Formats: sequence, structure tokens, C-alpha cells
Amino acid sequence: GIQVEQSPPDLILQEGANSTLRCNFSDSVNNLQWFHQNPWGQLINLFYIPSGTKQNGRLSATTVATERYSLLYISSSQTTDSGVYFCASRNSGYSTLTFGKGTMLLVSP
Amino acid sequence: DAGVTQSPTHLIKTRGQQVTLRCSPKSGHDTVSWYQQALGQGPQFIFQYYEEEERQRGNFPDRFSGHQFPNYSSELNVNALLLGDSALYLCASSGRRVNTEAFFGQGTRLTVV
Repeated sequence: GIQVEQSPPDLILQEGANSTLRCNFSDSVNNLQWFHQNPWGQLINLFYIPSGTKQNGRLSATTVATERYSLLYISSSQTTDSGVYFCASRNSGYSTLTFGKGTMLLVSP
Repeated sequence: DAGVTQSPTHLIKTRGQQVTLRCSPKSGHDTVSWYQQALGQGPQFIFQYYEEEERQRGNFPDRFSGHQFPNYSSELNVNALLLGDSALYLCASSGRRVNTEAFFGQGTRLTVV
């Protein structure tokens, strides 16, 4: 099946800094999603982005499907951005999500 | 619009017991998938239900079984619980087409002692 790799595994930032999280996938995909897992475990949808670029406030994401990667940008980070960020993708022809291992982000005041 | 809801939120069971977890999908969704997330790991796919049938299954033993009801809600059953089954169990719902966004419930945290 498809392999999803995220980098970096851990990231520590000062409040106000910018960051880029990367997601590589091993095969063509027809869906890619970014999630933020809150401290209680719920996965919060950030972006549904099989290709192209989207922006939502301080967050934006870009997926280059032909090169099999996606990037999540966080600008002017806040302490509330702390948590684990996951990307997940679906194989073409399948409808289940394969997750990466996540990036643990800690934003300090 | 109610999102995906799961119950219970927390559960403690003894090794060897059986457990049933429940999930109601987001309004308008008819496909339910279950995932297991161990501490420090990404969610792992268990199985997916569509039209009351198991459509796909991940690499989990037969002790894990499920059901989908006519109203699209779903149950996950685990028999003969092992200590290693302790995890966060997440339910996701999506539409019937392949290229649709999945939404997750808040999860059920299962502890096996």
C-alpha cells in the first residue's frame, strides 16, 4: 500500500515564528488531508487538498501531486497551534486514508 | 449540523472481555471507517463499512469485527481483549464517492487492564 512520511517528527518554535511541515507519499493519490490532533485526541480537519494551494487564515497548504508531496505552512505561530499534525492520503481507486506518523509541534510563549 | 459522534469517550476493560464502540456519521455521509491509534503513532485503518457491508479491511485480526446499520451508524466490536488493544479508536465518515473529505469523531479511549 501507499507509504506516507512526514517531516520533521518534532518541531519547537517561539511564538510568532513561521514553520513548514512536509508530507511525502509513495504513490499517486486522489485525496490528501491535513489534520491537527487536539490534546483530547480529536482530529480537526485543516485542509482537503489533493492538488493545488489553499489558505485558511494563518495556515496554508500546497500539494504537488506529480512530485508526490504536500506542505503545510503555519505563519505567526501561536501557543494554541501546539499539537500533532497529521497528513493522510488515499490511493487512487481506494477510499481509505493512510496516515503519516505526524509532526509534534510545540510553540512556546 | 452534527458532526461525527462516538460513544463512549472512555472505557476500561479487563483482559479477555469484549467491547463495543459506537459511531454516528456526519449528516449526509454513508461510509464509516474505523481506525486504531496507539500512543505516539498515526491512526491505523481497521475496516470500512458501506451499505451495511465491510468494504475494506486493514491488517487486524478477526477479533475485530463491525457492523453498519440502515441509518449508517456503525459499531466496532473487539473480542478477547488484549493489553495491546489499549488505544484511541477513531471513527471517520465520508460520502460514497472515493474523492470526498473524511471527518473524524472525538474518539473512544480504550484501556485494557
